[in-house]
Amino acid sequence: AQSVSQHNHHVILSEAASLELGCNYSYGGTVNLFWYVQYPGQHLQLLLKYFSGDPLVKGIKGFEAEFIKSKFSFNLRKPSVQWSDTAEYFCAVNPPSGNTGKLIFGQGTTLQVKP
Amino acid sequence: KAGVTQTPRYLIKTRGQQVTLSCSPISGHRSVSWYQQTPGQGLQFLFEYFSETQRNKGNFPGRFSGRQFSNSRSEMNVSTLELGDSALYLCASADVSGANVLTFGAGSRLTVL
Repeated sequence: AQSVSQHNHHVILSEAASLELGCNYSYGGTVNLFWYVQYPGQHLQLLLKYFSGDPLVKGIKGFEAEFIKSKFSFNLRKPSVQWSDTAEYFCAVNPPSGNTGKLIFGQGTTLQVKP
Repeated sequence: KAGVTQTPRYLIKTRGQQVTLSCSPISGHRSVSWYQQTPGQGLQFLFEYFSETQRNKGNFPGRFSGRQFSNSRSEMNVSTLELGDSALYLCASADVSGANVLTFGAGSRLTVL
């Protein structure tokens, strides 16, 4: 079945540690890729997106992600996490011909950053 | 610009009842999508409306329905509620002429007893 997989369900890091969250998708063709973040008690917010062009995209708060087409991956990275990055992170794919509003989400990764 | 507004924010219903949730998109956004978020299933796409027409539907039973009005506001309805319908229901809007990026509301948390 076509899906989006996030490799880590729960990640615990100390402040200043580097972060990499894995995301793989199984759709063929051209897809749009997103990372959303949900801080405790807040809305889902867009962290970054990839539509085309440079496969290394930068988002808000120092996050970046790399699209590797051959690996069907879109991994999220941050060189040095802060306590305020504690949140749930969702990778999402807008599948081919899926229209704007249809996103397929991964199961989410809960990131806990210890001060 | 005001964000996506969902009402009510919290509600409690009993099995067999029905519920209607409302969503006001960002001004100018014509696409409204609905998602269900649960701890077990995560975020699942329900349906998308654009210009008052449903143009995409997820894998949910017919008890879940929606509509969109001429001002782009949307409602979703769940009939004959089941315990498993307890969830956070999220609405998102998009400016389809632009970046095709969804902006989410805070959600309506439904508890079915």
